[in-house]
Amino acid sequence: DAKTTQPTSMDCAEGRAANLPCNHSTISGNEYVYWYRQIHSQGPQYIIHGLKNNETNEMASLIITEDRKSSTLILPHATLRDTAVYYCIVRVADRAGSYQLTFGKGTKLSVIP
Amino acid sequence: DAMVIQNPRYQVTQFGKPVTLSCSQTLNHNVMYWYQQKSSQAPKLLFHYYDKDFNNEADTPDNFQSRRPNTSFCFLDIRSPGLGDAAMYLCATSRGLAGGPGEQYFGPGTRLTVT
Repeated sequence: DAKTTQPTSMDCAEGRAANLPCNHSTISGNEYVYWYRQIHSQGPQYIIHGLKNNETNEMASLIITEDRKSSTLILPHATLRDTAVYYCIVRVADRAGSYQLTFGKGTKLSVIP
Repeated sequence: DAMVIQNPRYQVTQFGKPVTLSCSQTLNHNVMYWYQQKSSQAPKLLFHYYDKDFNNEADTPDNFQSRRPNTSFCFLDIRSPGLGDAAMYLCATSRGLAGGPGEQYFGPGTRLTVT
């Protein structure tokens, strides 16, 4: 699975949009971009995933560049409860016999009151 | 609500004393995973089951074993815990459908302390 690069930490004011970048310049054509987050002392939580098109769900939006070498996770109105470590993971979706997620260091997002 | 449950949330064991952590799921997912997360580090996959098929990661120590007696339950056995095995142990599940999105659902974790 392709390697990802994320900033170590970011701050965001409460109520503002949080934009978390991720570089995945070696991504292959059949690899998806996944985002998970981990709030302190909890298990990771799935947020969103995408292949080529931009995606939106009730939690966030995912913007993937046309060349697919980078993406941005957008939390439209950050709250204090969004303070967490955010992981960007690239992997093939459910190839037979291989389902693991390889977590990188992630971005620690701090939402400031 | 359908979910992944881990018991206990906190476990203290003595150096060298076998310990078992448990995970159950009500999602009826095919795949169950065990991750180890040490302090200030990212989760690291130990092994996973696709139905009854066990898949061990190459660098998982022999000290770690797993059992999956049925679809709903999966156990992590640490045969002789060392101080370096103190960590959060996370259980996760996924549908395992070919070509599916494959998102994983995590339990709250069991924090293991070795004294």
